[in-house]
Amino acid sequence: AQSVTQLDSQVPVFEEAPVELRCNYSSSVSVYLFWYVQYPNQGLQLLLKYLSGSTLVKGINGFEAEFNKSQTSFHLRKPSVHISDTAEYFCAVSLGSGGYQKVTFGIGTKLQVIP
Amino acid sequence: GAVVSQHPSRVICKSGTSVKIECRSLDFQATTMFWYRQFPKQSLMLMATSNEGSKATYEQGVEKDKFLINHASLTLSTLTVTSAHPEDSSFYICSATGTGGYTFGSGTRLTVV
Repeated sequence: AQSVTQLDSQVPVFEEAPVELRCNYSSSVSVYLFWYVQYPNQGLQLLLKYLSGSTLVKGINGFEAEFNKSQTSFHLRKPSVHISDTAEYFCAVSLGSGGYQKVTFGIGTKLQVIP
Repeated sequence: GAVVSQHPSRVICKSGTSVKIECRSLDFQATTMFWYRQFPKQSLMLMATSNEGSKATYEQGVEKDKFLINHASLTLSTLTVTSAHPEDSSFYICSATGTGGYTFGSGTRLTVV
């Protein structure tokens, strides 16, 4: 079974500074990887996903992530954060074959942007 | 893009009553829908997977008689929390899969008093 580890439960960062949210996964087979954002009392919004191909994935709101198979990582980055980026971010993984499989989520990282 | 409508967004019910949550795919056919539960300050935990026209597959530890899932059409799945108790209070989110991948609903905050 696959699993996801988000190493930081909270990340405070000043506005306009860069940020990296870390995610490592564990799986013995190929996987799909996702990053979702959740604002308070709302559902999940997909930021980006890696299915195959280029290991650098660009998403919405200026976020990007890089799939590193050797390090089993999929860290999320943004070069300059805004106050509006304050939210909870979830890394997720699903099996990379056999159609749509269930998604396993990490525990989430709360990004706090400080003005 | 693919849109999933989930409602109600918030519901308060009395202990012992049942609550139904709807999840609709608005512009695509969802062959599979997933139901998740999120406790405060925790991640999403998969409760069950439903495929249109067949019985849902529940994750270990989830009471299928308490959390009834119906996926009667390719655009609608429902989760009914039967005989709700305060410990069922949580945030419930559905996810539908179609040609565009996984799309999540906006969630339902259930409070049982």
